[in-house]
Amino acid sequence: DIQMTQSPSSLSASVGDRVTITCRASQGISNNLAWYQQKPGKVPNLLIFAASTLQSGVPSRFSGSGSGTDFTLTISSLQPEDVATYYCQKYNSAPPLPFGGGTKVEIK
Amino acid sequence: QVQLVQSGGGVVQPGRSLKLSCVASGFTFGRYGMHWVRQAPGKGLEWLAVVSYGATHTYYADSVRGRFTISRDNSNNTLYLEMSSLRVEDTAVYYCAKVFGGNSFYYFDSWGQGTLVIVSS
Repeated sequence: DIQMTQSPSSLSASVGDRVTITCRASQGISNNLAWYQQKPGKVPNLLIFAASTLQSGVPSRFSGSGSGTDFTLTISSLQPEDVATYYCQKYNSAPPLPFGGGTKVEIK
Repeated sequence: QVQLVQSGGGVVQPGRSLKLSCVASGFTFGRYGMHWVRQAPGKGLEWLAVVSYGATHTYYADSVRGRFTISRDNSNNTLYLEMSSLRVEDTAVYYCAKVFGGNSFYYFDSWGQGTLVIVSS
């Protein structure tokens, strides 16, 4: 089974900072990667699919890149409302459909 | 708009069973694969199971295979997760999720509100 590994597990940054989260797949998954945002006490919400395509309504300060085994989620200018845990997930292949372990983003 | 309304959570003793429901509206339920995902307290998301749009195919995570059963009733727009032989480590918030598009293994574009299951004696 393919494993998804995220790093770091948590980070603290200042408002306006550029934040980068990485996700690594144990085998190549082409661009079949999604990113979800889960704000404290809330339901997960789709941010990005196909590694780099923003879901409708997602602010343009979010971006995704990568293909194969290495992927990144970038927040170009961190805002207070971006405090959340972010998860990557591989899809479009036989199950399981694992999530990464999550990256908790806090404001410094 | 898409709505997934969950019910059926609660407190249950180890070894007992519980059945979760997820009622869908706002889309043609029978055209989409559906999944269950859980989140233990303070932990990350764990994918559990998928059922194809026609209920002909089901797949499970190793952690629940043989104990949990995913099913659906397309005539009533309802997804189910029947959980048996429950363990303390099954304590979690359980989410149902809808896939985007016709591929049952695609990413999730809508989630239920979550329902808490506590397994405790």
